Amino acid sequence: KAGVTQTPRYLIKTRGQQVTLSCSPISGHRSVSWYQQTPGQGLQFLFEYFSETQRNKGNFPGRFSGRQFSNSRSEMNVSTLELGDSALYLCASSLGDRVFEQYFGPGTRLTVT
Amino acid sequence: AQSVTQLGSHVSVSEGALVLLRCNYSSSVPPYLFWYVQYPNQGLQLLLKYTTGATLVKGINGFEAEFKKSETSFHLTKPSAHMSDAAEYFCAVSLPYREYGNKLVFGAGTILRVKS
Repeated sequence: KAGVTQTPRYLIKTRGQQVTLSCSPISGHRSVSWYQQTPGQGLQFLFEYFSETQRNKGNFPGRFSGRQFSNSRSEMNVSTLELGDSALYLCASSLGDRVFEQYFGPGTRLTVT
Repeated sequence: AQSVTQLGSHVSVSEGALVLLRCNYSSSVPPYLFWYVQYPNQGLQLLLKYTTGATLVKGINGFEAEFKKSETSFHLTKPSAHMSDAAEYFCAVSLPYREYGNKLVFGAGTILRVKS
């Protein structure tokens, strides 16, 4: 099976712009979670989608949003980018019916200048 | 609330030596525990997991971990380090599924250096 794919892998944006990141989960996986990784804060949970519904959200401002499509692919959007949004954004997929291991994609490296 | 503490942000071992990476957790419910590894510029790869049953869990690449409830620990070990083991390792606990879905809480990570 193909793994979790994320596009793009690298992105450079300017403060104030918005960005959309994409994640395709492993075939058959219905849960997609997003995490932000920074040197200062480590790995932090953003949100999780299961069957097109946001099931849980982390402690991030409303500028961070996401959605999931019927084929389980997910996108996350960050509006009005700030310098502090520079991070590695990781997507993880799992089967989702109960606690399962999560499989991570390679991440999208976002740099905000 | 669940939390994870990884003792030692950096660990250095010689090639062929024992690897021991420490992880302690705090959980209000029986935890599911995971170890992930991250190589530079890559995502996280699952090494092993503990859910229920046998407390000694074997994973990929020769790693294993033992769940010790009395010590609230889930330390990662490997008998003999290889140069390719140099990476950052993360311990994680899964929050109660009914309330949080598939949400992981991660430790701060431990960077493993392997000396030749």
